Amino acid sequence: DTAVSQTPKYLVTQMGNDKSIKCEQNLGHDTMYWYKQDSKKFLKIMFSYNNKELIINETVPNRFSPKSPDKAHLNLHINSLELGDSAVYFCASSQEDTYNEQFFGPGTRLTVL
Amino acid sequence: KQEVTQIPAALSVPEGENLVLNCSFTDSAIYNLQWFRQDPGKGLTSLLLIQSSQREQTSGRLNASLDKSSGRSTLYIAASQPGDSATYLCAVRNTYNTDKLIFGTGTRLQVFP
Repeated sequence: DTAVSQTPKYLVTQMGNDKSIKCEQNLGHDTMYWYKQDSKKFLKIMFSYNNKELIINETVPNRFSPKSPDKAHLNLHINSLELGDSAVYFCASSQEDTYNEQFFGPGTRLTVL
Repeated sequence: KQEVTQIPAALSVPEGENLVLNCSFTDSAIYNLQWFRQDPGKGLTSLLLIQSSQREQTSGRLNASLDKSSGRSTLYIAASQPGDSATYLCAVRNTYNTDKLIFGTGTRLQVFP
């Protein structure tokens, strides 16, 4: 059973479109995250949600909006996509009582044309 | 502001060698440090998590050490194998923001037969 899953794995779209990436974890964790990995492979946190509440919101354009319908899901919605949004987006989850060790999803490669 | 760097950026070694990957961080107020591996086109796999109170952690052929006062961690890989080829990332959590993982720049390792 996959612990942290993301859909879709690949997403190719035109500039200006709106798209969503979904993330689900079946680990029973209480915190979920979104990361962006740029073309130089540098990973940076975008958002963190704990029990459906936003904890971390890094300097991310407000075109990006995370949505957490329940503890096991954290979706990422992106409006008005731009070329610079092309990257790999990773979802992760953790549990505070296991030292916040984070487990990552397989990633979604977003290409904006 | 916490900054994490990894040296070397890339490493190519013959099979069977013991090797050391280095990770440095600028702020010693860390909660813990986590080592990951990332295979091309894949997500991150957690290898070892070392708490700030620990000096080292071991898993199979991997051994991670932590020296908080000098701001350094090393990942030791014994008897390297071609299957160890991947990018290795270290990431730290600060004591004042345990939800946030700050990633290093990564070391790309190739082990050739």
